[in-house]
Amino acid sequence: AQKVTQAQTEISVVEKEDVTLDCVYETRDTTYYLFWYKQPPSGELVFLIRRNSFDEQNEISGRYSWNFQKSTSSFNFTITASQVVDSAVYFCALRAYGGATNKLIFGTGTLLAVQP
Amino acid sequence: EPEVTQTPSHQVTQMGQEVILRCVPISNHLYFYWYRQILGQKVEFLVSFYNNEISEKSEIFDDQFSVERPDGSNFTLKIRSTKLEDSAMYFCASGTGWYTFGSGTRLTVV
Repeated sequence: AQKVTQAQTEISVVEKEDVTLDCVYETRDTTYYLFWYKQPPSGELVFLIRRNSFDEQNEISGRYSWNFQKSTSSFNFTITASQVVDSAVYFCALRAYGGATNKLIFGTGTLLAVQP
Repeated sequence: EPEVTQTPSHQVTQMGQEVILRCVPISNHLYFYWYRQILGQKVEFLVSFYNNEISEKSEIFDDQFSVERPDGSNFTLKIRSTKLEDSAMYFCASGTGWYTFGSGTRLTVV
């Protein structure tokens, strides 16, 4: 069975602090995709990144970086120098590669509050 | 950039009433999805639709739910007799390889 665990339900930081959001996943598939989405207070889901399981290179995009470690089944997300606009719920998600299903399995989300 | 459009953004309905949530997927996409997010909880898969039929559905998607692609552009989710626990944000998504989510319809059942 596939499962995504985001153990941190809420994190509060002060602006300019770095923060890491944890994501641990379970799957029997050897090939899969991992995602991060941001959900601001307005409610929409904003796509941040997609990673496939055969590419373990870390990625950096501006203040955002992602650390994918297959050995620990983790796909953690770090925001450097956090800003108030980063306040949102962040979801990690997992999807099988090919096959009969392409549904996304979401974690329970981490609410990030960045205080000015 | 192409968008998935959902209407209305917020709908209030009385318990027991039928409701139809509407979505206009991106035009060249082949797969369509509905997801649900109860307030404060995670996003959950409801159903996927491909080639004019349901390709997969979750346990949540019981007989009171149905989906339809009535024409070449719309994709709808119908809830036949709404319950209080159907109150949630409903997201439509479309994609051939990857998903694009709509901005959601917040359904409130009173």
